[in-house]
Amino acid sequence: DAGVTQSPTHLIKTRGQQVTLRCSPKSGHDTVSWYQQALGQGPQFIFQYYEEEERQRGNFPDRFSGHQFPNYSSELNVNALLLGDSALYLCASSSPQGALLYTEAFFGQGTRLTVV
Amino acid sequence: AQKVTQAQTEISVVEKEDVTLDCVYETRDTTYYLFWYKQPPSGELVFLIRRNSFDEQNEISGRYSWNFQKSTSSFNFTITASQVVDSAVYFCALSGPMIKAAGNKLTFGGGTRVLVKP
Repeated sequence: DAGVTQSPTHLIKTRGQQVTLRCSPKSGHDTVSWYQQALGQGPQFIFQYYEEEERQRGNFPDRFSGHQFPNYSSELNVNALLLGDSALYLCASSSPQGALLYTEAFFGQGTRLTVV
Repeated sequence: AQKVTQAQTEISVVEKEDVTLDCVYETRDTTYYLFWYKQPPSGELVFLIRRNSFDEQNEISGRYSWNFQKSTSSFNFTITASQVVDSAVYFCALSGPMIKAAGNKLTFGGGTRVLVKP
C-alpha cells in the first residue's frame, strides 16, 4: 500500500516564476492538506481540499492556490514566487473513520522548493 | 486561535537515557486532539500518537509514553531508553474536533531536535 507521494522532490525556481507541486494521497484517503515548513520551523497549514473544494485555508496570500481531482490527488500552485517561499512543502492525507471522525494525517516526504 | 509551544529547541542525550519533550497548547475548543509526530532527516512526518481532550489517561506504547494534563494544557512525550535511531525533530500538534464537517487542520509547535549519541 503506497503512502502519500509527492513530486517533484526538489525544485529550483527564479523569483517571479510560477510553480506546481503534486500530491497523491494514501489509498482510501479523500482529504488532502498542504503545509509549508520553513527551515527550522514547524509546518504551517496552507489549505485543505475535500470533494474537490477548498474547505479550510490558513493565513496565506492568494498567490497560493490549489486543486483536487476526482481521484483525490491534488496540486499546489504558487504564483509570483518570492525568496520567502523557499521551504519544504508537505502534503498530508486523511479520511473520515466511519461517518464522523478523521483519521490522523499521513504525510509525504515533501517537495523542497528553493527560490533564487 | 490555536497555539502550540515547544520550549525546548534541542536536546542531546547519550544512548539509553530517557528523553522527555515538553508541549504546551492553547485552544478554545472543548473537544480537541493532540498529536506527536517525528521528522527524520528524510523530511516525512511520521505519526506517533494521538490523544483526545476527553481522555487524560496516560499510556505507554513500547518505548514511548505520554503525560496529558488538561489542567496545565500540557502534553509531554517521553522516549525511554533512547536509541540513535530516535534522533530526529519531534513536533507536537493540535487539531479541533476532527469531525467530518470541520476538517482536521493541524497546528504545529516549532519542534524539538533530539540528538542521541552512541
